[in-house]
Amino acid sequence: AQSVTQLDSQVPVFEEAPVELRCNYSSSVSVYLFWYVQYPNQGLQLLLKYLSGSTLVKGINGFEAEFNKSQTSFHLRKPSVHISDTAEYFCAVREFGNEKLTFGTGTRLTIIP
Amino acid sequence: DTGVSQDPRHKITKRGQNVTFRCDPISEHNRLYWYRQTLGQGPEFLTYFQNEAQLEKSRLLSDRFSAERPKGSFSTLEIQRTEQGDSAMYLCASSLFSGSYNEQFFGPGTRLTVL
Repeated sequence: AQSVTQLDSQVPVFEEAPVELRCNYSSSVSVYLFWYVQYPNQGLQLLLKYLSGSTLVKGINGFEAEFNKSQTSFHLRKPSVHISDTAEYFCAVREFGNEKLTFGTGTRLTIIP
Repeated sequence: DTGVSQDPRHKITKRGQNVTFRCDPISEHNRLYWYRQTLGQGPEFLTYFQNEAQLEKSRLLSDRFSAERPKGSFSTLEIQRTEQGDSAMYLCASSLFSGSYNEQFFGPGTRLTVL
């Protein structure tokens, strides 16, 4: 069965500083990987996804992530954060041929002015 | 093109009452999904439909839960005899499946509070 681990439940970062949110996954088959953002009392918005090909994927709002198959990781990065990036971030995995998305427990990103 | 919509956005109910939520997918999307998100957790898959057929149900979907998509368009999720543990955000998503990768688009969710 697939699973996702987000080790950091909360990450405080100063405005304009870089940030990395960590995600590790487990699966016995090939997977698609995703990062979603959730603002308070809202649904999920897709930041970026890895389907195949280049292991470095770029998403919206200046975020990027790198797929590392050997380490089964898909860490999210942004070189310079803004107050508007304050939100909950979820990493998710989906096995090939399976419709179910499996999410991590989320990382709350707090930007300090 | 409107996104996925859910109604109501918020529902407060007393323990033991029945509640029903509605989800309207993106037009022409043939797959529809329900997820549940409890406080401090990521969303968990409940079930999904292709057109009107319910193709998969999670073990999280107890006998008190029932989901339908009668005409292959909107879907309803009913919870009977609600319990305090049912308090959560219920998220709906839809996708257009055509044999390859299909992306799920999420609605804003229905937040249920059981008193």
